[in-house]
Amino acid sequence: QKEVEQNSGPLSVPEGAIASLNCTYSDRVSQSFFWYRQYSGKSPELIMSIYSNGDKEDGRFTAQLNKASQYVSLLIRDSQPSDSATYLCAVLGGGADGLTFGKGTHLIIQP
Amino acid sequence: DAGVIQSPRHEVTEMGQEVTLRCKPISGHNSLFWYRQTMMRGLELLIYFNNNVPIDDSGMPEDRFSAKMPNASFSTLKIQPSEPRDSAVYFCASSFLGSYEQYFGPGTRLTVT
Repeated sequence: QKEVEQNSGPLSVPEGAIASLNCTYSDRVSQSFFWYRQYSGKSPELIMSIYSNGDKEDGRFTAQLNKASQYVSLLIRDSQPSDSATYLCAVLGGGADGLTFGKGTHLIIQP
Repeated sequence: DAGVIQSPRHEVTEMGQEVTLRCKPISGHNSLFWYRQTMMRGLELLIYFNNNVPIDDSGMPEDRFSAKMPNASFSTLKIQPSEPRDSAVYFCASSFLGSYEQYFGPGTRLTVT
């Protein structure tokens, strides 16, 4: 049974600070990792993908992957109130195309 | 470009009725996924298709659920008969085969009374 674990939060971060979101996964053969943002009542929106160990930066977002520790994280720099949402970690296992999602971390950016 | 299109956006039905959810993937995408989201279980993969062929339906909860993809532009998810525990938001997503970056439609909020 593939599992993806996230702290449900809420995680409260002051505006302008760095928000750090974490995710662990159980399937060692997982190859691809994704972060989705979901506003209340809306559909998940892909914001980052990462496939190899290390960091990947895109604007204010940095994804970090450590396959040995089965750990992936998302950093949001200069957090804005518009970043307040639920962030879903998703993992693609080996030999499969469907994603396994964590239940998400609810992030609140305080003005 | 149009994103993934789903209809209806909201569906309220009585227990025992048949429900059909519809999805049009992004033009050119050849993988299509059906997910269900609830507060208790989060976002779960139900079934996915590659090039209109069902590949993995292990997430379909019961025989009451069925899905088809008759062509590259259309898929349906059918629940017959529906039950109150089927109440959830059903999302369709699509991607290019092998790209793994999936794009979600707006979802159908299903309420079974």
